[in-house]
Amino acid sequence: GAVVSQHPSWVICKSGTSVKIECRSLDFQATTMFWYRQFPKQSLMLMATSNEGSKATYEQGVEKDKFLINHASLTLSTLTVTSAHPEDSSFYICSAGGGQNTFGSGTRLTVV
Amino acid sequence: GDSVTQMEGPVTLSEEAFLTINCTYTATGYPSLFWYVQYPGEGLQLLLKATKADDKGSNKGFEATYRKETTSFHLEKGSVQVSDSAVYFCALRDNYGQNFVFGPGTRLSVLP
Repeated sequence: GAVVSQHPSWVICKSGTSVKIECRSLDFQATTMFWYRQFPKQSLMLMATSNEGSKATYEQGVEKDKFLINHASLTLSTLTVTSAHPEDSSFYICSAGGGQNTFGSGTRLTVV
Repeated sequence: GDSVTQMEGPVTLSEEAFLTINCTYTATGYPSLFWYVQYPGEGLQLLLKATKADDKGSNKGFEATYRKETTSFHLEKGSVQVSDSAVYFCALRDNYGQNFVFGPGTRLSVLP
């Protein structure tokens, strides 16, 4: 079945630095990728929708300048957390649109 | 907007007990319904799904039936194992293949 590869699986960074998370569709083309965020012991909340070749659509309350999304090709979408702060520590996970049911394995970000 | 409600956890059961996790949804149209499982420290794995009314999804002894009349998709398993301990998320997605809407998740602990 369809596989979405997400890297890194975990990252620790210092406050003020930026972190890039990648999601690749391995055996199919994903024109749309969804990015979710999960706080400890909470559900997943949609952050933004990335579309290949166009600007991402952000959910209400999500800072687009802080969470930069790039979907430069049909197999790669990236989420960059810029100037990270401890409150950005969370579990980030992507999923491909277009009827696929596959999620990436997730990235646990810890900002110290 | 669309929403998913799940029974609150945590749920603690003894091995071989019967499991039910209730899930109800609110949606326009006819969404597809899913159960995802998240093991500690890992991403989401699709457990089962149903795409239309009266469909029954099943996998690994778990099953759920899409009940349009009660807008429900309850998860059941006849005999749980310790290895079933995880967080279970009920989710829906509209038929345009857009993003998932998740329930809050139910943490299941199975004791030996």
